[in-house]
Amino acid sequence: SQQGEEDPQALSIQEGENATMNCSYKTSINNLQWYRQNSGRGLVHLILIRSNEREKHSGRLRVTLDTSKKSSSLLITASRAADTASYFCATDSSTGTASKLTFGTGTRLQVTL
Amino acid sequence: SQTIHQWPATLVQPVGSPLSLECTVEGTSNPNLYWYRQAAGRGLQLLFYSVGIGQISSEVPQNLSASRPQDRQFILSSKKLLLSDSGFYLCDWSGVPMWTEAFFGQGTRLTVV
Repeated sequence: SQQGEEDPQALSIQEGENATMNCSYKTSINNLQWYRQNSGRGLVHLILIRSNEREKHSGRLRVTLDTSKKSSSLLITASRAADTASYFCATDSSTGTASKLTFGTGTRLQVTL
Repeated sequence: SQTIHQWPATLVQPVGSPLSLECTVEGTSNPNLYWYRQAAGRGLQLLFYSVGIGQISSEVPQNLSASRPQDRQFILSSKKLLLSDSGFYLCDWSGVPMWTEAFFGQGTRLTVV
């Protein structure tokens, strides 16, 4: 079942603008991860934030995590046309030896020139 | 560095035919290996995972099976494909659970006709 739900489902912005995507989940987690997927390709890991962290940065990416609200946001600053892709959040609630990720339905980001 | 190979990239198979998708990992040992399926415009659904040779866990009942004959090889199979097996299949590996991200292959687009 889908644990994460991204919002919005689709987002269209102009180059240079910031893009914000949100993710909500239902159960307690060990960490939350964001992935990017170009059309018809595999997923590329962007950033991992642990349950005891509140904010993390990587280049133009900023991720926040609010475990009390069971939500996370991904901010891409100064967007570029090359950022056009689908973005997925994934939660890790593993208790055993395997890290089983539960993915959301994704946000399709379109960045236009 | 670690790499993951998944093939074929695309596959068109008739209903009732067998299936074999292969995934291999290089540059790491004892990886946790996973098969996901992605329906069009949706997130990823975990199908199988493996924490070691010959150890397979199934997440959803289905027409597919998985095997891990070698440490860095993961195979997804079916004896008789159904139309509903069409989709985008992704293999990934990860290391220690709760601390690391997943590394995905490029995916296989399977169309059952």
